[in-house]
Amino acid sequence: NAGVTQTPKFRVLKTGQSMTLLCAQDMNHEYMYWYRQDPGMGLRLIHYSVGEGTTAKGEVPDGYNVSRLKKQNFLLGLESAAPSQTSVYFCASSYRLEGEQFFGPGTRLTVL
Amino acid sequence: QKEVEQDPGPLSVPEGAIVSLNCTYSNSAFQYFMWYRQYSRKGPELLMYTYSSGNKEDGRFTAQVDKSSKYISLFIRDSQPSDSATYLCAMRNAGGTSYGKLTFGQGTILTVHP
Repeated sequence: NAGVTQTPKFRVLKTGQSMTLLCAQDMNHEYMYWYRQDPGMGLRLIHYSVGEGTTAKGEVPDGYNVSRLKKQNFLLGLESAAPSQTSVYFCASSYRLEGEQFFGPGTRLTVL
Repeated sequence: QKEVEQDPGPLSVPEGAIVSLNCTYSNSAFQYFMWYRQYSRKGPELLMYTYSSGNKEDGRFTAQVDKSSKYISLFIRDSQPSDSATYLCAMRNAGGTSYGKLTFGQGTILTVHP
């Protein structure tokens, strides 16, 4: 099992550009999450999903959109990137809402 | 004020030392407490999980929770260079609209030198 994988690993964008980050899990987990990690801020929840076709806002959702069309995939979109979105983005999944969250390796995004 | 406060360090100790990592929190609804370990340029991985006050031991690691003081700790005995990582505390509610969502501390960077 690959666990949780994220694509791409690195990306540099210019202000105003758009992109989609892809998260895939092969553990048949219902719950999936997108976090961002910034120095001194820890991990903050952007959006999450409690099942295929459902999404919900987390702590810092502004400027991001998500979709969960398939159970195994969770996409994070930036429609118009801003320098404030420079961060490391982590995807996670869990079998139950209160269960252990398994994290992917992260995507390092720089917005110039 | 942040709901969870964690000293970011960095913390540098010699091999074999006992390490103490700490978090305080303000939200009384937090009932479940976790410690994650994150190696450089990797995703966090769960190290310890507990939901009651007291101590939980797993090998060289001991998680301690004091709900009355809203304080949790992770102790590492006989620390090894392979323990060098960022340690993140995380907490979740037992119910309500925030049920299941994790709130993380800022992370403490630990270096164990030979």
